[in-house]
Amino acid sequence: NAGVMQNPRHLVRRRGQEARLRCSPMKGHSHVYWYRQLPEEGLKFMVYLQKENIIDESGMPKERFSAEFPKEGPSILRIQQVVRGDSAAYFCASSPPTGSTQYFGPGTRLTVL
Amino acid sequence: QQQVKQSPQSLIVQKGGIPIINCAYENTAFDYFPWYQQFPGKGPALLIAIRPDVSEKKEGRFTISFNKSAKQFSLHIMDSQPGDSATYFCAAGWGAQKLVFGQGTRLTINP
Repeated sequence: NAGVMQNPRHLVRRRGQEARLRCSPMKGHSHVYWYRQLPEEGLKFMVYLQKENIIDESGMPKERFSAEFPKEGPSILRIQQVVRGDSAAYFCASSPPTGSTQYFGPGTRLTVL
Repeated sequence: QQQVKQSPQSLIVQKGGIPIINCAYENTAFDYFPWYQQFPGKGPALLIAIRPDVSEKKEGRFTISFNKSAKQFSLHIMDSQPGDSATYFCAAGWGAQKLVFGQGTRLTINP
């Protein structure tokens, strides 16, 4: 049973470009969470999704950021018009329908030049 | 009310010692308290978790102590090894909702 998959592992973008981060949850998991981690800091919740639904986006910046988890395919975190402050590690976690336990992927490290 | 406060920020222990990391929370709705271990460049890996109906849980060398009335919980690592050197995060959550993380503790186990 493969773990949570994220790609790309490293992403470099110039200011103003778009970044797309992908997350495939563990098999049988229908809940996906995105977190952001700045260097030397803890993880900050961004958004919680179930298939085709955004359940909680209270941690998501109001502008430039969006997330989706379509019926088929991975969850996507999209950052438009990236700025240097968006440089961080972005982690995806998944959990089964009935559980609290969240399993994390290896993360995508975004660098904005 | 959503905060989880973790201490210390960093900790150095000799091999074989028992590092203790503490966390405190405010929101009494939290009913799930996991600890994660993170190595540089990797994602957090679940170590051990506890619910408020028990005061202690042990898995291998890792023990969580939970004090519901004080709203505090801690991680103890028995017989610590250099391979345990990592950053440890406590977290709190409820149901299938988001996790609120502590700031992390960078643990170094000296040989």
